[in-house]
Amino acid sequence: GDSVTQMEGPVTLSEEAFLTINCTYTATGYPSLFWYVQYPGEGLQLLLKATKADDKGSNKGFEATYRKETTSFHLEKGSVQVSDSAVYFCALEVIGTYKYIFGTGTRLKVLA
Amino acid sequence: EAQVTQNPRYLITVTGKKLTVTCSQNMNHEYMSWYRQDPGLGLRQIYYSMNVEVTDKGDVPEGYKVSRKEKRNFPLILESPSPNQTSLYFCASRSPMGIGEKLFFGSGTQLSVL
Repeated sequence: GDSVTQMEGPVTLSEEAFLTINCTYTATGYPSLFWYVQYPGEGLQLLLKATKADDKGSNKGFEATYRKETTSFHLEKGSVQVSDSAVYFCALEVIGTYKYIFGTGTRLKVLA
Repeated sequence: EAQVTQNPRYLITVTGKKLTVTCSQNMNHEYMSWYRQDPGLGLRQIYYSMNVEVTDKGDVPEGYKVSRKEKRNFPLILESPSPNQTSLYFCASRSPMGIGEKLFFGSGTQLSVL
């Protein structure tokens, strides 16, 4: 079945460092792909999404490109801030089923 | 303000005592769903509903029930809770397809079953 694999955390970075969180997926066809972010004590919020191959989603300085060749959707940010400290989830929507599959989440801690 | 509201925020109960976690959304969304979040396992979908009176199983439905009698509410029912249902639960609704489709999540319910 469809699945999402993302890198284990926690990831600890200094402020202004470059961030990459890896995400790969297994799916039939070309599902929509998402990154959601969970701040402490809150529910998940959509960070960005891409619906077809080669699409680039971007928001708040974060970017991710839908790569069908490598079945990947890696999250990147050029310069992280302390306020980016959160748990990041990669997810896909299984085509034609209204079901969502989430990765295990990657905790990011940014130090001042 | 557009939101998904879950209650209670925290709940401690004992094995076998029926409980209901409520979920309500004010965005007139047709699609709603429930997830549980466990360390190392991420979010797993329990049930989802595509509209009133239409529900379907997610990946981990065992031990849970849902109902969708009206569009705004989607309660999660644990008829006989067990300790392995101790988890953080999230309700979500989804905006219509093709209109910036995304999931809106509630703030979560931390359930402990003793």
